Amino acid sequence: GENVEQHPSTLSVQEGDSAVIKCTYSDSASNYFPWYKQELGKRPQLIIDIRSNVGEKKDQRIAVTLNKTAKHFSLHITETQPEDSAVYFCAARRAQKLVFGQGTRLTINP
Amino acid sequence: GAVVSQHPSRVICKSGTSVKIECRSLDFQATTMFWYRQFPKQSLMLMATSNEGSKATYEQGVEKDKFLINHASLTLSTLTVTSAHPEDSSFYICSARSRDWGNTGELFFGEGSRLTVL
Repeated sequence: GENVEQHPSTLSVQEGDSAVIKCTYSDSASNYFPWYKQELGKRPQLIIDIRSNVGEKKDQRIAVTLNKTAKHFSLHITETQPEDSAVYFCAARRAQKLVFGQGTRLTINP
Repeated sequence: GAVVSQHPSRVICKSGTSVKIECRSLDFQATTMFWYRQFPKQSLMLMATSNEGSKATYEQGVEKDKFLINHASLTLSTLTVTSAHPEDSSFYICSARSRDWGNTGELFFGEGSRLTVL
């Protein structure tokens, strides 16, 4: 089955700097890659997603890149703000199943 | 956007009792619902996939007799934790996909249910 690895597990950056979180997946048939933001005790919220036929997607301060050949995708957050502090999960979908990475706890230091 | 409601948000029960958690899609028909389990500071682990009108498909290592899933309608799926024990304490989250899964791909998550078994 699909296996998703996510790094780093924790990330601390200064406010205004950029943050990058990376994920790799194992199943080349996976075709959809969402990123979720989860605050403590809350549900995951979709922040951006990318399909396998696209290499990059951007939405304001958030961007995602996908390298199908290498089977890895990354989340980029620019001009970070304190409210960006949360746990971020990448995921990969094949058929019906969505498999999550281990999560990255992002802390933005003022 | 699509709304998925989960109830109860918190439940505390005694060891040996059963607990039912409901997951409802409020403004769309969910042909498929997914149940996840999340331990503190860990990722979401898929427990089972629930299709309306048919038996749920359980992931490897998940006891189907322990975690009973019913998806009787296009807007409701239930998870019953039977004979709960302290090790079943966890955050349970449901998610649902709408009929146009193939176009959007997005999953909509419930608020989650925190189960504590004493």
